[in-house]
Amino acid sequence: EAEVAQSPRYKITEKSQAVAFWCDPISGHATLYWYRQILGQGPELLVQFQDESVVDDSQLPKDRFSAERLKGVDSTLKIQPAELGDSAMYLCASRSRVRIGNQPQHFGDGTRLSIL
Amino acid sequence: KQEVTQIPAALSVPEGENLVLNCSFTDSAIYNLQWFRQDPGKGLTSLLLIQSSQREQTSGRLNASLDKSSGRSTLYIAASQPGDSATYLCAVLNDYKLSFGAGTTVTVRA
Repeated sequence: EAEVAQSPRYKITEKSQAVAFWCDPISGHATLYWYRQILGQGPELLVQFQDESVVDDSQLPKDRFSAERLKGVDSTLKIQPAELGDSAMYLCASRSRVRIGNQPQHFGDGTRLSIL
Repeated sequence: KQEVTQIPAALSVPEGENLVLNCSFTDSAIYNLQWFRQDPGKGLTSLLLIQSSQREQTSGRLNASLDKSSGRSTLYIAASQPGDSATYLCAVLNDYKLSFGAGTTVTVRA
């Protein structure tokens, strides 16, 4: 079982509705990432947090997506309004604060989003 | 922008055969390279991490090599088993960002 916790595992909703995903990283991990993975492709980074601060959100569609990590621990990713093209797997990952070169990212099991 | 390519996209082998999975990347200024396994509908499990100063890493039946100058990595899985069936993704870290290939889907036939 993955050590990074994500919920829900599956979400089915209609377009134009709001959806939210939650992630609880490994305890003590300062860096948290949200990725989107379209079927048949590799994950693509949406947003990266260092503690409670956003480090990189250059690929986040800010007109409809938002992410927060208010206390520097768990995080929420929101989509409003959802569009058909948002159907994908949303993955959360975390990494410890130790020197970047030798620490892997640890992934959760993801949330599979289907937009009808 | 870093581009990561994995060839082949899919591979089917009989049980017991050795697997060779290839990964290439365009920007050699990387901190590390990771190989992941992904089972259908699941998240990613980290298999091996090779730092930029290293040439290879081994874990059990898995061995990964890295040739940073030529932008290539190879994952070897010895004596494949049906339980090795999964998608294998490589990812490179540079500019504090992890860039993934699309993966190689492996089927090991019993």
